[in-house]
Amino acid sequence: DQQVKQNSPSLSVQEGRISILNCDYTNSMFDYFLWYKKYPAEGPTFLISISSIKDKNEDGRFTVFLNKSAKHLSLHIVPSQPGDSAVYFCAASSTNTGNQFYFGTGTSLTVIP
Amino acid sequence: NAGVTQTPKFRVLKTGQSMTLLCAQDMNHEYMYWYRQDPGMGLRLIHYSVGEGTTAKGEVPDGYNVSRLKKQNFLLGLESAAPSQTSVYFCASSTGVFEKLFFGSGTQLSVL
Repeated sequence: DQQVKQNSPSLSVQEGRISILNCDYTNSMFDYFLWYKKYPAEGPTFLISISSIKDKNEDGRFTVFLNKSAKHLSLHIVPSQPGDSAVYFCAASSTNTGNQFYFGTGTSLTVIP
Repeated sequence: NAGVTQTPKFRVLKTGQSMTLLCAQDMNHEYMYWYRQDPGMGLRLIHYSVGEGTTAKGEVPDGYNVSRLKKQNFLLGLESAAPSQTSVYFCASSTGVFEKLFFGSGTQLSVL
């Protein structure tokens, strides 16, 4: 039973435009969310996080939005660059799940030069 | 700074064979984790450790054992490998609960 879902397996965007990656979750107790980026043959690397007390968090070109009522978060990348081409995973956790992060299935982003 | 190092990077096993995956971190992190990644499934937690000498089960622990005898090392063992354990295995570490995970580069395991 997938508690964190990324329904778009892939996304293609032109360089310079906005990339929007979406993530939905089913467990209303989740209160901490992270995005990871993964290049081929490498492990995931942390990108940005947000806790449930916020609805937005920014870090340079990356912004994460959280809509708790819809159980939905999104990652915006502006402007998109070819080096952003990677697989993006969202992950969620809560005090109830303790040390366990639940990961989505990932979205493969391709930024076209 | 090496971060999180996994060995080996690739391994092929026959059904019923055993093996151990080694994870080493040089960041003095208390928490360490083993995940597996399968197509269409995302990363799923196998076992984790909150400190030297401790281990706990994650979401998919069956068929695996772990040990954390030293703070910097976390071992994942398969006693009798099965084709269902064909996967990419990632080790990760963190400073504590809800903290970001630092991942190794993964081990591709195939069980024939």
